[in-house]
Amino acid sequence: EDQVTQSPEALRLQEGESSSLNCSYTVSGLRGLFWYRQDPGKGPEFLFTLYSAGEEKEKERLKATLTKKESFLHITAPKPEDSATYLCAVVKAGNMLTFGGGTRLMVKP
Amino acid sequence: NAGVTQTPKFRVLKTGQSMTLLCAQDMNHEYMYWYRQDPGMGLRLIHYSVGEGTTAKGEVPDGYNVSRLKKQNFLLGLESAAPSQTSVYFCASSTIPYEQYFGPGTRLTVT
Repeated sequence: EDQVTQSPEALRLQEGESSSLNCSYTVSGLRGLFWYRQDPGKGPEFLFTLYSAGEEKEKERLKATLTKKESFLHITAPKPEDSATYLCAVVKAGNMLTFGGGTRLMVKP
Repeated sequence: NAGVTQTPKFRVLKTGQSMTLLCAQDMNHEYMYWYRQDPGMGLRLIHYSVGEGTTAKGEVPDGYNVSRLKKQNFLLGLESAAPSQTSVYFCASSTIPYEQYFGPGTRLTVT
């Protein structure tokens, strides 16, 4: 069965303390992996698309990487405004997204 | 350019009542989706549409119906609401299936 698992469920960081969020997946025939950011009370906002192992994408303090079994979202020198829930999703057969449970990131000033 | 909008933002229903959630997008997207988000369950696809006049079942379709009579609108209906349908509902749209743009959500409580 296709599964997407994110860890940790919650992460507290001090401002400037770099870390990584993990998204592991078991999907036959992966067609793409996606990262979204969700602020409280709002809908998810698209961040990155990764299509093949070894691919990397960057946006400001965020960098997403992909291997054959997992993806990492690296956060460098985070700021309080980076606090949000980060969701990953994979595309499986039928072209529909399967979402992980998310990682709730809290960055303290 | 409003993107994806959802109506209403909040709603409280009694068990057995019916309602329709409206999703509208102004980006001329072919694909539209309805998800529900529950604590510990993540986002789960209810129904989706790949174009005007088409609909298909997602992961958790039971108890819901949808219609896409116009390209820009996607309606989600609950014919007889149940407490298990208490959730936050998100609509999304996209030109290709993957890079979906989400609406702000509708918080539904069924008592």
